[in-house]
Amino acid sequence: AQSVTQPDIHITVSEGASLELRCNYSYGATPYLFWYVQSPGQGLQLLLKYFSGDTLVQGIKGFEAEFKRSQSSFNLRKPSVHWSDAAEYFCAVGAGGSYIPTFGRGTSLIVHP
Amino acid sequence: NAGVTQTPKFQVLKTGQSMTLQCAQDMNHEYMSWYRQDPGMGLRLIHYSVGAGITDQGEVPNGYNVSRSTTEDFPLRLLSAAPSQTSVYFCASSFGQGVTYGYTFGSGTRLTVV
Repeated sequence: AQSVTQPDIHITVSEGASLELRCNYSYGATPYLFWYVQSPGQGLQLLLKYFSGDTLVQGIKGFEAEFKRSQSSFNLRKPSVHWSDAAEYFCAVGAGGSYIPTFGRGTSLIVHP
Repeated sequence: NAGVTQTPKFQVLKTGQSMTLQCAQDMNHEYMSWYRQDPGMGLRLIHYSVGAGITDQGEVPNGYNVSRSTTEDFPLRLLSAAPSQTSVYFCASSFGQGVTYGYTFGSGTRLTVV
């Protein structure tokens, strides 16, 4: 069965600084990988997804993520954080044949002015 | 399009009461799921459906029932509420397998059981 780990519970950055949120997955083959964002009091919104091909994936709101098979990682990045990016971020992994993705426990992003 | 609509947004129940959380989507999505979100636990799958008339259990199904009589609706029933069911509940839908297309989420129902 697949699993996903988000090692950082909280991340604090200053507005304008770069951001990297970590995600590690466990699965024997190439998985499907996702990043979702949840603003306070809201549901989850899909930021980006990776299935195959180019290992650098572009998403909405200026986010990107890079799939690294050798490290079993799918880290989320943004070159310059805005105050509106403060939210909870979830990494999810799904394997072929499984209908439903498994979510990590989330990383809370705090943005200082 | 409204997307995924959940009602109610907030609910307080007494222990032992029953209720139904409603979920409707207008995107003709085949796949629908219910998750619960608890602090530090991420999202845990309760039940899911791959089409009308087809449902299956997820990671934490105990205490919850579902049915899928139409493509649009996927209600979640709490038969006898317990304080451990205090949580935020999210309904999500997907055009096909969630691993391929990603899920569209509702805005959630915050349930408190006293």
